[in-house]
Amino acid sequence: GAGVSQSPRYKVTKRGQDVALRCDPISGHVSLYWYRQALGQGPEFLTYFNYEAQQDKSGLPNDRFSAERPEGSISTLTIQRTEQRDSAMYRCASSPGLAGLIGSYEQYFGPGTRLTVT
Amino acid sequence: AQSVSQHNHHVILSEAASLELGCNYSYGGTVNLFWYVQYPGQHLQLLLKYFSGDPLVKGIKGFEAEFIKSKFSFNLRKPSVQWSDTAEYFCAVRERGDKLIFGTGTRLQVFP
Repeated sequence: GAGVSQSPRYKVTKRGQDVALRCDPISGHVSLYWYRQALGQGPEFLTYFNYEAQQDKSGLPNDRFSAERPEGSISTLTIQRTEQRDSAMYRCASSPGLAGLIGSYEQYFGPGTRLTVT
Repeated sequence: AQSVSQHNHHVILSEAASLELGCNYSYGGTVNLFWYVQYPGQHLQLLLKYFSGDPLVKGIKGFEAEFIKSKFSFNLRKPSVQWSDTAEYFCAVRERGDKLIFGTGTRLQVFP
C-alpha cells in the first residue's frame, strides 16, 4: 500500500516568505508527527496529532511555526516569515495507534521536504 | 527530558567486517528504544525496536541490538556487513506521547 507522502519534496524560498508543507499519512493511521532535521543532526520533534487534535506542540521553535490536521488525515506545517535558520529537512511520520497510550506503535516516515531559505 | 548519544559519527568498513554502533540514552525507567536506517535517497525505515522482554532484539537484514539497562545502552550490531548496508543509522528513544528523541546519527560506509 501507499506510504506516507510529503509535498513538495524540495522547496526553495526567499527569506520572509511563508511556506506550507504537506503530509499525507498512511490511510487509517490516527497519529501524525512532524520532525525537523538539520544537516548533520538527527530528526527533532516538532509536534504531533491524534486524529485532528494537536496533542503536543512543545517542539515548535517559535510562533512562526504552526501545524494543523483539520480532518484527521492530511496535515500542513506552515512557517511564516521564513528565515535562513529554518532551512532543514522536514519529516512527517504516521502511526496506526493513538500516541500516548501504553503500547507503542511504529512510526512510518515519509520522504521529507527539503526546505532551503535563501 | 531524554537525550540520545551516538558516539560514532562516521564508520568505514570493508565488506564482511563486523559492525557495532554505540547508542546511549540519558536516564532509566521504562524505555522503548529504536534503530532507524536511512539508505541513500530513501526515507527513514525501522530496523528494530525494543519494548520489553528479551534484551537481545533481532531486526531486518541481519541486524540485532542489545538493551543493557545498567549501561543505558542499546548498541546495534551486525556480524558481517555488506556494501548494501551503506546508510545513515539513527538510534531513538520514545518519550511520553510517543514522540521520538533521536541521536545525531552514524554514517556507515562499506567498501567492497
